[in-house]
Amino acid sequence: GENVEQHPSTLSVQEGDSAVIKCTYSDSASNYFPWYKQELGKRPQLIIDIRSNVGEKKDQRIAVTLNKTAKHFSLHITETQPEDSAVYFCAASRSGSGYSTLTFGKGTMLLVSP
Amino acid sequence: NAGVMQNPRHLVRRRGQEARLRCSPMKGHSHVYWYRQLPEEGLKFMVYLQKENIIDESGMPKERFSAEFPKEGPSILRIQQVVRGDSAAYFCASSPDRDTYEQYFGPGTRLTVT
Repeated sequence: GENVEQHPSTLSVQEGDSAVIKCTYSDSASNYFPWYKQELGKRPQLIIDIRSNVGEKKDQRIAVTLNKTAKHFSLHITETQPEDSAVYFCAASRSGSGYSTLTFGKGTMLLVSP
Repeated sequence: NAGVMQNPRHLVRRRGQEARLRCSPMKGHSHVYWYRQLPEEGLKFMVYLQKENIIDESGMPKERFSAEFPKEGPSILRIQQVVRGDSAAYFCASSPDRDTYEQYFGPGTRLTVT
């Protein structure tokens, strides 16, 4: 089955700095890669996703890149703000059998200091 | 804008008791996924259901765990004879159809087994 590795497990940055979180996956058939943000005690919230036919996607301060050959994808947050502090999860899925069950990484705790 | 609803939000059970967790998907969504999140871990897929059908239960323990999604009413995850190792946050997610990749999560049920 799919295996997703995520690094780093914790990341501390100063407000205004950029943050990068990296994930690798094992199943070359995976074709959908979402990122979720989870604040303490809250639900995971989908913040951005990318499909395997695209190499990069941006949404304001957030961007995701995908390297299918190397089987890794990354989340980039620019101009970080204290409210970006949360745990971020990457996930991978293969949708081809008509549905997509997500395999998650173990998460990255991002701390943004004012 | 009613999102995915889960109840109860917190559930305390003694070892050997039964736990019933309920999930109402977003309006218009007929596909439900259940995930379990252990402390300091990512989310792990348990089961995928459509109305009246279990499509994929490959992530669910073979014993004591069952899930259903009846024609009317919420999806239910049932854990019989709970043990301390069942203590976790249980999240459900929903999507509108089998071809939609995005999954939207509920707030979770935090189960504590004493």
